[in-house]
Amino acid sequence: GAVVSQHPSWVICKSGTSVKIECRSLDFQATTMFWYRQFPKQSLMLMATSNEGSKATYEQGVEKDKFLINHASLTLSTLTVTSAHPEDSSFYICSARGLIGYNEQFFGPGTRLTVL
Amino acid sequence: DAKTTQPTSMDCAEGRAANLPCNHSTISGNEYVYWYRQIHSQGPQYIIHGLKNNETNEMASLIITEDRKSSTLILPHATLRDTAVYYCIVRPHNNDMRFGAGTRLTVKP
Repeated sequence: GAVVSQHPSWVICKSGTSVKIECRSLDFQATTMFWYRQFPKQSLMLMATSNEGSKATYEQGVEKDKFLINHASLTLSTLTVTSAHPEDSSFYICSARGLIGYNEQFFGPGTRLTVL
Repeated sequence: DAKTTQPTSMDCAEGRAANLPCNHSTISGNEYVYWYRQIHSQGPQYIIHGLKNNETNEMASLIITEDRKSSTLILPHATLRDTAVYYCIVRPHNNDMRFGAGTRLTVKP
């Protein structure tokens, strides 16, 4: 099946700093990428959707100036958490969908962010 | 997207079939039934999807009722590694995946 990778797998940062998370589709071209956030013992919540070369569409309640998403190529999307605070500590998961298979979404392994 | 209802948790004995139900009584004609699972601290894994016919792959079988208002995911011979949260999602083909609470399946030795 299609493979989506994320880097880093975990990161610890100080409050007020920015953190960038990369998401790559390794063996297919991702026309659309998605970013989710998951707090402990909760389900995944969609944060934003991005199409290659276009601005991301954010879900209601997600601050677009805090969570910067770039989808500059068909294989790479990045999520930058700016001025991170402890409440941003979470499990961030990206997903990609491309012109393969039955148009299902493939998910990355996730990035655990801890803000001290 | 149509709302889905799943039991909060289920247990299954190792080696037995695990049958996970999902209700989606408001499903529309263009909405597919998707199943994903999430093993602890990992990203969701695609299992199977279908529109109205039953589907089978190397991981599982999907049984959709004739009126499409409910479905069952069947893991034919559950192993300890199948312990995970299973999500049933109903959506049109090109919409994004939105997750509910899912069913926490525990496979016991």
